[in-house]
Amino acid sequence: KNEVEQSPQNLTAQEGEFITINCSYSVGISALHWLQQHPGGGIVSLFMLSSGKKKHGRLIATINIQEKHSSLHITASHPRDSAVYICAVTTAIQGAQKLVFGQGTRLTINP
Amino acid sequence: GAGVSQSPRYKVAKRGQDVALRCDPISGHVSLFWYQQALGQGPEFLTYFQNEAQLDKSGLPSDRFFAERPEGSVSTLKIQRTQKEDSAVYLCASSLALDEQFFGPGTRLTVL
Repeated sequence: KNEVEQSPQNLTAQEGEFITINCSYSVGISALHWLQQHPGGGIVSLFMLSSGKKKHGRLIATINIQEKHSSLHITASHPRDSAVYICAVTTAIQGAQKLVFGQGTRLTINP
Repeated sequence: GAGVSQSPRYKVAKRGQDVALRCDPISGHVSLFWYQQALGQGPEFLTYFQNEAQLDKSGLPSDRFFAERPEGSVSTLKIQRTQKEDSAVYLCASSLALDEQFFGPGTRLTVL
């Protein structure tokens, strides 16, 4: 079982729909990251959070430390939101900062 | 530019060749990471530097993989005697201490 699991693996929606991508993890963490990767492109960090909720424009990320679960929400989705969204965690092992990544969720927003 | 840069962006190698991939982190970033991303998969950790010290190389898949950061800035990932299974995108990221990581565009390596 992977240490970081995302669902769904693929998601197709119509423009304007509310999108939710889920992430569960099984290790102790110091932070959780949501990343965006466009085809052929590099990875862009969207959020880094260790508790509560963060909002940036139409994107919202939440984390529940007790349940070891995080969600990424996109409101009023747009075709330009089409990308792979990756959940990653920074493990809590002292001195270690490496990210452990989920498999990614491929999001396609149709006009 | 102000971001992380990697070169080359694309590399095609014949099986058995040695390759060297370069990463220029954001100026002043102490931490530098290398990740490997196979097609359709999430990235996987390879190695981590804090300044010039390689603190964790637990993700390097074999002794054919070697990374260095001699002056605590630019880093090179070297793969000796490349194999087909080494084909992947190699990502570099840098950060200030325990902070958000900034990723480079990656080097897509294809081994024929």
